[in-house]
Amino acid sequence: DTGVSQDPRHKITKRGQNVTFRCDPISEHNRLYWYRQTLGQGPEFLTYFQNEAQLEKSRLLSDRFSAERPKGSFSTLEIQRTEQGDSAMYLCASSNDEVQYFGPGTRLLVL
Amino acid sequence: GIQVEQSPPDLILQEGANSTLRCNFSDSVNNLQWFHQNPWGQLINLFYIPSGTKQNGRLSATTVATERYSLLYISSSQTTDSGVYFCAVAQGAQKLVFGQGTRLTINP
Repeated sequence: DTGVSQDPRHKITKRGQNVTFRCDPISEHNRLYWYRQTLGQGPEFLTYFQNEAQLEKSRLLSDRFSAERPKGSFSTLEIQRTEQGDSAMYLCASSNDEVQYFGPGTRLLVL
Repeated sequence: GIQVEQSPPDLILQEGANSTLRCNFSDSVNNLQWFHQNPWGQLINLFYIPSGTKQNGRLSATTVATERYSLLYISSSQTTDSGVYFCAVAQGAQKLVFGQGTRLTINP
């Protein structure tokens, strides 16, 4: 069991560019979650998949954000037309029951 | 939505001291997890404890679900215990709602 992995670990981009992050959950975990954490705050929920179905999206997930989990395994989170306010740590978690396990996160800086 | 409050926000202790971190939540939950966030940002699972008491080495946790609070105890603190501790709750196998965290600093 290799744990949840995320790629890239760090991303620096210019305002207006598009970025895409990848999350590979623990194998056979059917639930996958995305969270966002800004400095000094706790993580906040963005969206959640059960297998390939996206079951819930937070109001934080503006129309510039899109997430997919096409085959019910890995997931991608894309941010279009990035803004400086998108700078944060993006965390992915997976679970097979109530317990969620988190990946190392992708730290995004928008200049 | 459900609210989670953690106290204290900051705690500074000497190595060897004991500490108690508190998490209050505003509604009934069936999932409560404690995490330690290391300096690189990784959230490390400490306990899944929607009710009852658990112990793991120098750490233990108690959740009193009927009174909507949980406590995390750290005994004989070490400098490696430093970091931010988060409590997170959920209703069902759904999104976790996190508190603001307790920043623990253990001085040698």
